[in-house]
Amino acid sequence: QAGLTQPPSVSKGVGQTATLTCTGNSNNVGYQGAAWLQQHQGLPPKLLSYRNNNRPSGISERVSASRSGNIASLTIAGLQPEDEADYYCSAWDSSLSIWVFGGGTKLTVL
Amino acid sequence: EVQMVESGGGLIQPGGSLRLSCAVSGFTVSSNAMSWVRQAPGKGLEYVSLMYFGEHTNYADSVKGRFTISIDSSKNTLYLQMNSLRAEDTAVYYCARESVVGISGMDYWGQGTLVTVSA
Repeated sequence: QAGLTQPPSVSKGVGQTATLTCTGNSNNVGYQGAAWLQQHQGLPPKLLSYRNNNRPSGISERVSASRSGNIASLTIAGLQPEDEADYYCSAWDSSLSIWVFGGGTKLTVL
Repeated sequence: EVQMVESGGGLIQPGGSLRLSCAVSGFTVSSNAMSWVRQAPGKGLEYVSLMYFGEHTNYADSVKGRFTISIDSSKNTLYLQMNSLRAEDTAVYYCARESVVGISGMDYWGQGTLVTVSA
């Protein structure tokens, strides 16, 4: 079962804006968008957004998500040191009826 | 307050079996979509299995026929029975909740339990 494609790493400075991408197909990302998860070392994942730009309560407004066709994006504005983490996209695959994940992007905040 | 506590992991020989548990408080397991997601050491997240509406199930191809997901509603607990374990099943296994399957995202996760398959 093929997964979603994410760049392995992104580096940005404190206060800058990072945009992470996630490429799927019409059965997953293009179907009803992506969810984004943040994972710090040694901890379980944390949901940042779902169905493109819905944020659970407690998630910073610095985080926003979008989709264009089969590509989903997560934007984190005003980067802080605590934003340094691994970020995973996930999407429901309508043809397989399963969740598919991206390989993750390691965000480094310089 | 929501709590999800996994247990049952450990060191097991190839070909062996383990049963993982995810004890939940704060919501009803059978009323939500419940997934198992694993993460091999130093690797990314991998979907394993899903149960929704308390009875519908599906599995990743890599575990189909070997793993079985189930729920004990009386204990509000999710299980993953893992048989014929292989070295490549070595991972931290997380249980996760999604209130509406395929739509609302996995908003609650357990802390994970480590399964190591090795001779």
